[in-house]
Amino acid sequence: GESVGLHLPTLSVQEGDNSIINCAYSNSASDYFIWYKQESGKGPQFIIDIRSNMDKRQGQRVTVLLNKTVKHLSLQIAATQPGDSAVYFCAESPGNQFYFGTGTSLTVIP
Amino acid sequence: DADVTQTPRNRITKTGKRIMLECSQTKGHDRMYWYRQDPGLGLRLIYYSFDVKDINKGEISDGYSVSRQAQAKFSLSLESAIPNQTALYFCATSEAGTGVEKLFFGSGTQLSVL
Repeated sequence: GESVGLHLPTLSVQEGDNSIINCAYSNSASDYFIWYKQESGKGPQFIIDIRSNMDKRQGQRVTVLLNKTVKHLSLQIAATQPGDSAVYFCAESPGNQFYFGTGTSLTVIP
Repeated sequence: DADVTQTPRNRITKTGKRIMLECSQTKGHDRMYWYRQDPGLGLRLIYYSFDVKDINKGEISDGYSVSRQAQAKFSLSLESAIPNQTALYFCATSEAGTGVEKLFFGSGTQLSVL
C-alpha cells in the first residue's frame, strides 16, 4: 500500500510564530496532494491543495510546498494562532483514490 | 461540515450485532465515500460510490457493506460487528471530475464494539 508519513507526530509553536508541518510520500505517480486540518471531535477540513505541475501554492496564511524530487510536501502556517491548534495531515493521490498520512498534532502556546 | 451529516454521532454495540451508519449530503456531489480512522493510522477507505448505481470496494471492505439509496444518501453496514471495528468512521463527498477531487467530510461516527 501507499506510505504517507509525517516527520514529527507533535509540534508546539508560540502564538505569532510560523509553523511548518512536513509530510513524505512514497508514490512517484501521485499528482494531487491535499492538506487537511482536524480539530477535536470534528471531521477533517480542507485547507489547501496542490497539483504536481506546481511547486508552491498560497492561501490565506497557509502555503504548501511540493518537492517532487524527494517526494516531500510541507504546510507552512504564518502567524500561528490558538485556533490553529489541531491535527494536520496530508493526503496524496495517484489519480484513483487518496492515501492519508497519520497526522501531526500542532499545539499553539499563547 | 454541516453539508455532510452523519448519524449517529456515537454508537456502542455488542459483538455480533448488525448496525448501520448513515450519511446524507446537501452538496449535490455525485461521489461519496466511507473511511475509518484509527489512532496512529491514516484514514483508510472502506467503500466508495461514484453515482447511485456504482459501488466499489476500498482497501478494507471486509466485514462491511454499503448502500447508495440516492445521490444524497450513502449508508455503511456492519453485518456482524466485532471489536476490531471499533473506530471513528467518516463519510465524505467529492465532485465528479476526470480524476480525484478534494473530499468534504462529515463530523464522524464514533463506534465502539464491545
